[in-house]
Amino acid sequence: KNEVEQSPQNLTAQEGEFITINCSYSVGISALHWLQQHPGGGIVSLFMLSSGKKKHGRLIATINIQEKHSSLHITASHPRDSAVYICAVPAAGLTFGKGTHLIIQP
Amino acid sequence: GAGVSQSPRYKVAKRGQDVALRCDPISGHVSLFWYQQALGQGPEFLTYFQNEAQLDKSGLPSDRFFAERPEGSVSTLKIQRTQQEDSAVYLCASSRKNPASGSSYEQYFGPGTRLTVT
Repeated sequence: KNEVEQSPQNLTAQEGEFITINCSYSVGISALHWLQQHPGGGIVSLFMLSSGKKKHGRLIATINIQEKHSSLHITASHPRDSAVYICAVPAAGLTFGKGTHLIIQP
Repeated sequence: GAGVSQSPRYKVAKRGQDVALRCDPISGHVSLFWYQQALGQGPEFLTYFQNEAQLDKSGLPSDRFFAERPEGSVSTLKIQRTQQEDSAVYLCASSRKNPASGSSYEQYFGPGTRLTVT
């Protein structure tokens, strides 16, 4: 089974700060997913990437397949970015990390 | 178009009761997945279907859990004789194709059903 580790588990930052969330996995994969979950809300897919880098607005995701590592960055963070960010790798369904609980304070 | 919907959104059951949770996937999506998310944890895979076929049920925690998708569209997750440890959010997701180990497709998640067993 692919072991997915995320760090940090919890992160509190001030509005405007640059945020980095890390994800590592143990078994080679074809693609990695980054997802966002708001409290009490459903899960939204942010990125699915298999190599290099993807950017969407203030969100940037990178992956290094050889090192089995991915990062999610948020530039110019805003309180509305406060959520749980989860990385996941394909298996029968998806195998998820435990998530990073991000709080952006005004 | 409409996304994945789940019902009920909230369910309170007394220990020992049976419950049925419904998932309506996005129309035309071949694959459907059920996940269980305990408080403060990431989701855990339960089972998935490709059309009406249940291809993997390795994540179902016990034989009290049963899922079906008889016509390849709507799916129902049934939990018999509920226990307190069954309290969790049950998430359903669908995708256009089956994300086997060699490929991956975006999954679209429903809002979840929060089950509380008292």
